[in-house]
Amino acid sequence: EAGVAQSPRYKIIEKRQSVAFWCNPISGHATLYWYQQILGQGPKLLIQFQNNGVVDDSQLPKDRFSAERLKGVDSTLKIQPAKLEDSAVYLCASSPLGVDTQYFGPGTRLTVL
Amino acid sequence: GESVGLHLPTLSVQEGDNSIINCAYSNSASDYFIWYKQESGKGPQFIIDIRSNMDKRQGQRVTVLLNKTVKHLSLQIAATQPGDSAVYFCAENNAGNMLTFGGGTRLMVKP
Repeated sequence: EAGVAQSPRYKIIEKRQSVAFWCNPISGHATLYWYQQILGQGPKLLIQFQNNGVVDDSQLPKDRFSAERLKGVDSTLKIQPAKLEDSAVYLCASSPLGVDTQYFGPGTRLTVL
Repeated sequence: GESVGLHLPTLSVQEGDNSIINCAYSNSASDYFIWYKQESGKGPQFIIDIRSNMDKRQGQRVTVLLNKTVKHLSLQIAATQPGDSAVYFCAENNAGNMLTFGGGTRLMVKP
């Protein structure tokens, strides 16, 4: 079974630029999550989707971050404009409906200069 | 706010020894806990989980212990191997299947 796919793996941008990350969850997984992991810390949940609907986005900085999962499969996370403090690894995870275990992708390492 | 935390940031063990990684949680309403292993440049990898109606759960070379009285979780790794070197996170699953992660413990295995 293929795991969670993410791209790109690395991205370097200047502050105030825009960036987008893509995630393709494990086939059949209804729930998709985006996490932000700052160096030396545990992942922090940004947003949770169930199919194409948002379950929780209470920790998403909505003034600059947006995410969508239009067809209920893959998802994109966008930052516009980026700040220095957005430098982190952005992790995508997925889980089947009704299952607690989340499976993580390799992440996208973002560096904002 | 309530959070999940770890006691030790770094643990160094000799190859072949047993490792114990500890975690304290504060949300008494949490009913599901997970341990993840994260190697450099990779996403967290599920190791083992436990529900609050259990005190102990065993996997292959790993055991998770849950003490609800003192809100403490531990991960025991038997016969630690170099491949076990990684950062280990405990996480609690709140309502709505949202994970709250602790800060992580780095396990270093000396050959």
